[in-house]
Amino acid sequence: DIQMTQSPSSLSASIGDRVTITCRASDRIYSYLNWYQQRPGKAPKLLIYATSNLQSGVPSRFSGSKSGTDFILTISSVQPEDSATYYCQQTYNTPPWTFGPGTRVEIK
Amino acid sequence: QVQLVESGGGVVPPGRSLRLSCEMSGVTFNDHGMHWVRQAPGKGLEWVANVWSDGNTRHYSDSVKGRFTISRDNSKNTLYLEMSSLRGDDTAVYYCAREVISEAGTWDWLDPWGQGTLVIVSS
Repeated sequence: DIQMTQSPSSLSASIGDRVTITCRASDRIYSYLNWYQQRPGKAPKLLIYATSNLQSGVPSRFSGSKSGTDFILTISSVQPEDSATYYCQQTYNTPPWTFGPGTRVEIK
Repeated sequence: QVQLVESGGGVVPPGRSLRLSCEMSGVTFNDHGMHWVRQAPGKGLEWVANVWSDGNTRHYSDSVKGRFTISRDNSKNTLYLEMSSLRGDDTAVYYCAREVISEAGTWDWLDPWGQGTLVIVSS
């Protein structure tokens, strides 16, 4: 099974900061990588699919990219409502559809 | 818009069974594969099982294989998760989610997700 890691596990940012979250797979997954946002007490919500495609309705301050073996979620100017946990998910080698452990983003 | 509503959660003693349901509205149910994903209290997301649109192909995580059964009734737009031999580490919020496949059939993702239903395994 492919294992996913994320870094950092948590971060604290001020409004307007640029935030980056990194996800890495234990084996090659090409661009089969999705990002989800989960606000406290809520269900996960799709942000980015296939590495860099912004889901309809998601603010343009969110973006996804790939650098080598790292997948990166960027929030260009973080807002209060971005306080959440962010998960990556690989869909290349399935089953299982594995998630990263999550990155908690706190807004100061 | 597409909506998923789970039900069936509750408190159940270890070793007993429980069936979860997930009703979809707003889209043709039998066009989509469906997944169950769970989240233990304070923990991350764990994929549990999926079923293809026709109901004939199913996959399970190793942690639930042989104990859980995923199924669907396309006439009722409803997905099910039959859970048996429940253990304490099955305690979690269980989410159902629709699988979306890109037009080229290359990529897939989960969207939307239901609000979740809480299962507590405890005596």
